[in-house]
Amino acid sequence: DAMVIQNPRYQVTQFGKPVTLSCSQTLNHNVMYWYQQKSSQAPKLLFHYYDKDFNNEADTPDNFQSRRPNTSFCFLDIRSPGLGDAAMYLCATSRGDDSYEQYFGPGTRLTVT
Amino acid sequence: QKEVEQDPGPLSVPEGAIVSLNCTYSNSAFQYFMWYRQYSRKGPELLMYTYSSGNKEDGRFTAQVDKSSKYISLFIRDSQPSDSATYLCAMSAWGSYIPTFGRGTSLIVHP
Repeated sequence: DAMVIQNPRYQVTQFGKPVTLSCSQTLNHNVMYWYQQKSSQAPKLLFHYYDKDFNNEADTPDNFQSRRPNTSFCFLDIRSPGLGDAAMYLCATSRGDDSYEQYFGPGTRLTVT
Repeated sequence: QKEVEQDPGPLSVPEGAIVSLNCTYSNSAFQYFMWYRQYSRKGPELLMYTYSSGNKEDGRFTAQVDKSSKYISLFIRDSQPSDSATYLCAMSAWGSYIPTFGRGTSLIVHP
């Protein structure tokens, strides 16, 4: 089945220790997104790519970076995680043409100790 | 005022009840409307989407859009305990593939 896969599902890191989250998709969608979601809140968009065109939201902290080496893969790097970065990180895709619905991965739950 | 307002709940109903979940929005440019279901500690799952006013039905689920009132609804008939989840509405303007999400409504269906 076509899908969005995220690894790892759970990640524990120490304060200040860099971490990388990965996402892959078999949907062949043009757009890939990274969201941060905290408890009982709407997903907050961090970055998105339309093909290789990178876009970051104005309020995304510099501590967060992203890479999309090819159509199928996307990575989220957190350079120096703080306690406030503990959250669910969601990867999503969409076709990016006149179809607007997004397809989400299962998420990576990040814990910062 | 947020662009999309959604009551966080929780909404608690007995099994078999008809559930009504709602969102209001302020941006008249929104033309495409989506509903997602999110189980605890999982990613959101697309339930339904529509780009017009009126109703769209899929099994026990009906999505309703009233653009004149800037109000959308998701109805769940014959609710089941397995429907217990958070329901997120999302909406986009034509040409924008960046949706705006509501904060979600937590639904609890008790046996």
